[in-house]
Amino acid sequence: TQLLEQSPQFLSIQEGENLTVYCNSSSVFSSLQWYRQEPGEGPVLLVTVVTGGEVKKLKRLTFQFGDARKDSSLHITAAQPGDTGLYLCAGERAGFNKFYFGSGTKLNVKP
Amino acid sequence: EAQVTQNPRYLITVTGKKLTVTCSQNMNHEYMSWYRQDPGLGLRQIYYSMNVEVTDKGDVPEGYKVSRKEKRNFPLILESPSPNQTSLYFCASMLFSGANVLTFGAGSRLTVL
Repeated sequence: TQLLEQSPQFLSIQEGENLTVYCNSSSVFSSLQWYRQEPGEGPVLLVTVVTGGEVKKLKRLTFQFGDARKDSSLHITAAQPGDTGLYLCAGERAGFNKFYFGSGTKLNVKP
Repeated sequence: EAQVTQNPRYLITVTGKKLTVTCSQNMNHEYMSWYRQDPGLGLRQIYYSMNVEVTDKGDVPEGYKVSRKEKRNFPLILESPSPNQTSLYFCASMLFSGANVLTFGAGSRLTVL
């Protein structure tokens, strides 16, 4: 059982559709990060959220940290083929010196 | 350019043949870590290091060793590789700050026959 449950695992949508990816846990995190990974490369940070209830926007991507700092969501508006990739959430637990990763969401946006 | 460099990027080996995957970062980061990525399991931490000569086990350390003799290098050693260690490996580093962010290498795909 993973500390961070990420869903859905796979998502195949048409260009222009909206989507939401969820990351849930029963544990509290000091911060939560979202990474995007392309084939043959390492994950690259998209955003970090640290305050309960925080909302951050990155162009068409909206990230939210739950009030209790146990969950997060990534919403993409009007998805484009360039959004295709693997999206990973990662939670940092204070005092544990480690990040816990979700299993990832493989997104495919069809033109 | 600030980066984490892993070598080799691809390796096919046989059971029991010792191998080392090197990792080097040029950002003077204190924290370095190794992960393995397997389908449906995400990234799982193998070992991490808070600074030179300070290492600790992650979630899946069995069959692996690490060392941190210099700040920039954090090699991953497989003393006697087995097929269940076939995976995609990532090294990452981080500077301790208000918002801790991991910088990843490009990955090393290892196949153990």
